[in-house]
Amino acid sequence: NAGVTQTPKFQVLKTGQSMTLQCAQDMNHNSMYWYRQDPGMGLRLIYYSASEGTTDKGEVPNGYNVSRLNKREFSLRLESAAPSQTSVYFCASRNIWSGNTIYFGEGSWLTVV
Amino acid sequence: DQQVKQNSPSLSVQEGRISILNCDYTNSMFDYFLWYKKYPAEGPTFLISISSIKDKNEDGRFTVFLNKSAKHLSLHIVPSQPGDSAVYFCAASAQQGSTLGRLYFGRGTQLTVWP
Repeated sequence: NAGVTQTPKFQVLKTGQSMTLQCAQDMNHNSMYWYRQDPGMGLRLIYYSASEGTTDKGEVPNGYNVSRLNKREFSLRLESAAPSQTSVYFCASRNIWSGNTIYFGEGSWLTVV
Repeated sequence: DQQVKQNSPSLSVQEGRISILNCDYTNSMFDYFLWYKKYPAEGPTFLISISSIKDKNEDGRFTVFLNKSAKHLSLHIVPSQPGDSAVYFCAASAQQGSTLGRLYFGRGTQLTVWP
């Protein structure tokens, strides 16, 4: 039972490098999300896609871009990584029209040095 | 500006006793509330939810209470077990309006249940 799968699980980047976090869900959900979790800050929404073909900014979008490639996949890109983007990133999905429960992936630990 | 607040960063409870985790919200448009549980190195997992048309929802040892007039909800765990030790996040959403589809999370409460 895959659910929400995100890759890579761990990554170390140098300041200024770029990378893309990949996320895929197999639950046929229409909405997908990217959150970051920092100590004492809870889960903060970076970007979300309410449905295929749409994306919207969340609370902390600066420094990130997203692509909703198709219904299953939602990627998060860091164009020029900064140490402030060191965090744990969670992808999530839900079916907005049949329940409010969001299902999360296992997380991607990103360190920018 | 945090719309969902968990003012207690930590809670320590003895095994077998009741754990009460609290959450406050500011947005009167919120009409659905959820609790998530998170273990270290894992993604958050859904625990229990409540719609604004109810004031209580129960699932086994977990009960969520909603006080709409006070914009307050709480999660009760009875009896508490060591395996309940985790970070608990409160979340809220609005089923209508421009923020449809977004969940707003509190900062979490670390629950420690000791034997």
